[in-house]
Amino acid sequence: QVQLQESGPGLVKPSGTLSLTCAVSGGSISSTNWWTWVRQSPGKGLEWIGEIYHTGTTNYNPSLKSRVTISIDKSKNQFFLDLSSMTAADTAMYYCATFRPTGEGFDIWGQGTTVTVSS
Amino acid sequence: DIQMTQSPSSLSASVGDRVTITCRASQGLSDYLAWFQQKPGKAPKSLIYAASRLQSGVPSRFSGSGSGTDFTLTISSLQPEDFATYYCQQYNNYPYTFGQGTKLEIK
Repeated sequence: QVQLQESGPGLVKPSGTLSLTCAVSGGSISSTNWWTWVRQSPGKGLEWIGEIYHTGTTNYNPSLKSRVTISIDKSKNQFFLDLSSMTAADTAMYYCATFRPTGEGFDIWGQGTTVTVSS
Repeated sequence: DIQMTQSPSSLSASVGDRVTITCRASQGLSDYLAWFQQKPGKAPKSLIYAASRLQSGVPSRFSGSGSGTDFTLTISSLQPEDFATYYCQQYNNYPYTFGQGTKLEIK
């Protein structure tokens, strides 16, 4: 069974860049899943950030597209989220999840990592 | 973006009750609709995908129905562990979007 684990800094300064890692275990990141990032803040609820396939193909939420980069390292079985120009509005719990659009949808989630934007 | 509207926003019910939560999409989704359960401090847990398919390991008291723009999640007989917040999500069009949530509380 695939498991996901997020890691990264819990605190980011305003205007800084958030960098998160999602480690995939129990399966290959080169499988037929899309690898996604979702965040949850009290003010905006659950928000899909974007996704990456093992080929490197990405799709992003247009509301964040200018600031987001999702990348993948198949040798480490990890994928990553970079979010630049952080503001207080980006304070949220960040989750990574698997997504199988013709299968079980968003069926596996990491436990999440809390990110606070503050000086 | 496709707007997902859940109703009600909150709901009080008793153990053993039958409960229905509704999700309406601002445009047609075919059956690309999922339901999640979230408990405080935990990640969302997938219950239903493709509008009506039960995720492996999810109790059969949970069911989903609908297609197009109108969908429902039904819990046939509430159990104590079912009190949580429920979200619908569409994955028919980018960007994928979630409903605002329905908080199910004990009466």
